[in-house]
Amino acid sequence: EAQVTQNPRYLITVTGKKLTVTCSQNMNHEYMSWYRQDPGLGLRQIYYSMNVEVTDKGDVPEGYKVSRKEKRNFPLILESPSPNQTSLYFCASSPIQGSPLHFGNGTRLTVT
Amino acid sequence: ILNVEQSPQSLHVQEGDSTNFTCSFPSSNFYALHWYRWETAKSPEALFVMTLNGDEKKKGRISATLNTKEGYSYLYIKGSQPEDSATYLCAFCRGSTLGRLYFGRGTQLTVWP
Repeated sequence: EAQVTQNPRYLITVTGKKLTVTCSQNMNHEYMSWYRQDPGLGLRQIYYSMNVEVTDKGDVPEGYKVSRKEKRNFPLILESPSPNQTSLYFCASSPIQGSPLHFGNGTRLTVT
Repeated sequence: ILNVEQSPQSLHVQEGDSTNFTCSFPSSNFYALHWYRWETAKSPEALFVMTLNGDEKKKGRISATLNTKEGYSYLYIKGSQPEDSATYLCAFCRGSTLGRLYFGRGTQLTVWP
């Protein structure tokens, strides 16, 4: 089944404890991207990747890192999480930039 | 940060009513406009990607139009059903920053039986 898989679905952590949210797609998509969703705000782009080894900042990259060492994986890394990074996170992919996005199931992160 | 506005913020209609909502975006340097449907506790699902001025797309009872010169897109739902209840998101992509996608805050539609 064609899908974008995020893990974990839920995560509660403490301030400063490094964490990684994984994202993997099995559709051979070139483009991948991370978003966060906060109440009252639209989806805001964190980082995106047009292809392997090519990543770029979105609207809200501060406090996040990404890597794209292989086409299928695009992990989101929080080196030192803070409470303002408590949010719902979505990974998405598409064959090329401009085509419809396929979203993962989301990761709800709470940083205390 | 680029502004993408959606209106209304929320909408309540009766089953069978037709409805429409608006997405406004900058008219310069247009590349693509996306529409997504997002049901509670699920992930957003793509409805349309529109790229040409005057484009019209249709999927069942849902259709969309695009005016890139004035910077707006309309989403129409004909004969709304309770299962159409969801948040509808639009997202704008500009030509100078391919890869960047700017989402509106969405229109939350509730269809009462």
